[in-house]
Amino acid sequence: EPEVTQTPSHQVTQMGQEVILRCVPISNHLYFYWYRQILGQKVEFLVSFYNNEISEKSEIFDDQFSVERPDGSNFTLKIRSTKLEDSAMYFCASLRASNQPQHFGDGTRLSIL
Amino acid sequence: AQSVTQLGSHVSVSEGALVLLRCNYSSSVPPYLFWYVQYPNQGLQLLLKYTSAATLVKGINGFEAEFKKSETSFHLTKPSAHMRDAAEYFCADPSGSARQLTFGSGTQLTVLP
Repeated sequence: EPEVTQTPSHQVTQMGQEVILRCVPISNHLYFYWYRQILGQKVEFLVSFYNNEISEKSEIFDDQFSVERPDGSNFTLKIRSTKLEDSAMYFCASLRASNQPQHFGDGTRLSIL
Repeated sequence: AQSVTQLGSHVSVSEGALVLLRCNYSSSVPPYLFWYVQYPNQGLQLLLKYTSAATLVKGINGFEAEFKKSETSFHLTKPSAHMRDAAEYFCADPSGSARQLTFGSGTQLTVLP
């Protein structure tokens, strides 16, 4: 069964550095999402992407965040200048049609030092 | 704004006992609803989905959930718990404008031998 894949599985970065999290959604999916889960907290929506543009974003997704789909397969989340509070598990998800469930990757654990 | 409430952040049951994990939604329109499971250090896996075709939904691993519009509930049950069911369970509502998921706060299920 096709899967959403995320790399790296764990990223350690110094505060203030830029970080790029990568995702390869399922190939025939059309809607793409990033979520984060701070340790011990619930999963929170960050941003959705459809038709090569952001379709919705949460309050968390401020100017430090950006997303890109540079080619037909990758979907990236960039944090421009990381803060300690960005430490979390980041999940990518993709969706084929709006009445279907989202498929999640295994996540990238981001640790900011 | 839609919200999903999970009562009980931690539930402990004995192996072989009934599992009941509670979820209430607040969306004003009949929603799709999902239950996801997260095993330790893994991503989110779809357990089951409600898409209005039937109020009693069967999922993987022997889990099922019943959609009750009158109670705005979508509780998850399993007749007989197994040790491998120990995980965190999330109820999720995809009623966002971009079909983004709003997650409940999660319920950690512990299965006692």
